[in-house]
This record gives sequence, C-alpha cells and structure tokens, in this order.
Amino acid sequence: ILNVEQSPQSLHVQEGDSTNFTCSFPSSNFYALHWYRWETAKSPEALFVMTLNGDEKKKGRISATLNTKEGYSYLYIKGSQPEDSATYLCAEPVAPGTASKLTFGTGTRLQVTL
Amino acid sequence: DGGITQSPKYLFRKEGQNVTLSCEQNLNHDAMYWYRQDPGQGLRLIYYSQIVNDFQKGDIAEGYSVSREKKESFPLTVTSAQKNPTAFYLCASSTPGLAAYNEQFFGPGTRLTVL
Repeated sequence: ILNVEQSPQSLHVQEGDSTNFTCSFPSSNFYALHWYRWETAKSPEALFVMTLNGDEKKKGRISATLNTKEGYSYLYIKGSQPEDSATYLCAEPVAPGTASKLTFGTGTRLQVTL
Repeated sequence: DGGITQSPKYLFRKEGQNVTLSCEQNLNHDAMYWYRQDPGQGLRLIYYSQIVNDFQKGDIAEGYSVSREKKESFPLTVTSAQKNPTAFYLCASSTPGLAAYNEQFFGPGTRLTVL
C-alpha cells in the first residue's frame, strides 16, 4: 500500500485569501497523481490528473503543480470563495493497469468564511 | 444525465445480517470500484472490477463480496463477517484505457449503520 499524505488536515481561511496545501507521495514507480474535490453532501469530483514532472494544471482559480522527483504536489486556490469549501483529496495509482487501485490521502478540509 | 447512482442513501441493519449496497452507472465505463470511508482515514479500496464477470480484492476485502454480472452494475454485499461495517461507502467508475491516467467518477454514497 502506498503512503499518500496530505497537509494540513484542515484549513480555515477568509473569503478572498489565497491558500495552498500539499500532497506527498512515494516518488518511486510514479504513474499519476489525482486531485479530487469533495463538497459536503455531494460526490467527489476530479479536479486534475497529473502525470509529468513539472506539470502545472489550472481550472479557474484552482491550480496544481507536480514534482515527481521529490514526491509532492501543491494545490493552490487563488482568492478563495465560500463555494471552495470542501475536502480536497489527492490519490496515487498503484499501477497503470486497466483498473486503477488508487491510494488516497486523508484529505485537507478547507473552510472559507465571509 | 449520465452518472452513478447508489441506493439507498442511508441503510440500517442489525448485527449479524448481510446487506447489499447498489451501484449503477450509465457512463459505459468498464472499471468500477468500491471504497469505504471512516472518520480520519482516506478512502480505502474494498473491491474493483475491470470488466464484466471479473473482480479483484482491494486493500480491505475481508467481510465483503461483489458481483459484476452486468457492465452497468456492481453491487456490494456487506456480510456478517465484516467486523466493523458501520461506514460510508462510495462507488466509482472510470473510463477504458490506462486507468491510472483516468479520473474516477463517484456516486453519492451510502451510509451504513449497524445497530
């Protein structure tokens, strides 16, 4: 079982603040790194799937970077809004096969207040 | 609308009873997965299936069973052998191809409580 770790465990920011959190993963046998957003009472939704070292992906105010050599990914949210409040999960596949066993971190719970 | 449905949303069962959680998808995805979430832990994989009539144990398969008779359906049975069945259960699916690179699509989950 891979060891995927996320920090911080929770984060409380005010509307308009920019924030970031970290996902650490084993750098050997790397295939991809997934980020998901899980809002309360909804299903987790994919944000990004990152595969290349140095990758940077962006979706609106949310962006992510990837460093496969040192085994970490950062997720950034610029100008946080209350609707960004959610748990952000990262996950790493164990192998590249046709069905992927993902190992998830415990998540970073973000709360954005007015 | 394409998506994944899970039913029921909440489920209560008496200790010692088996219970089956439903998962249906109309996304035409080959791969399907069952995860369990407990407080303070990440999602943990129970079982997964690459194609119809095939499934593999995940990291915490003991006390669970699955079937994959149809592409659209991947029901999970929580048996009386599962020591701590109270949890939140999520079903997911992913597109064909190298699944490591494909995002997973999740259902809304079933919260199972054993009384």
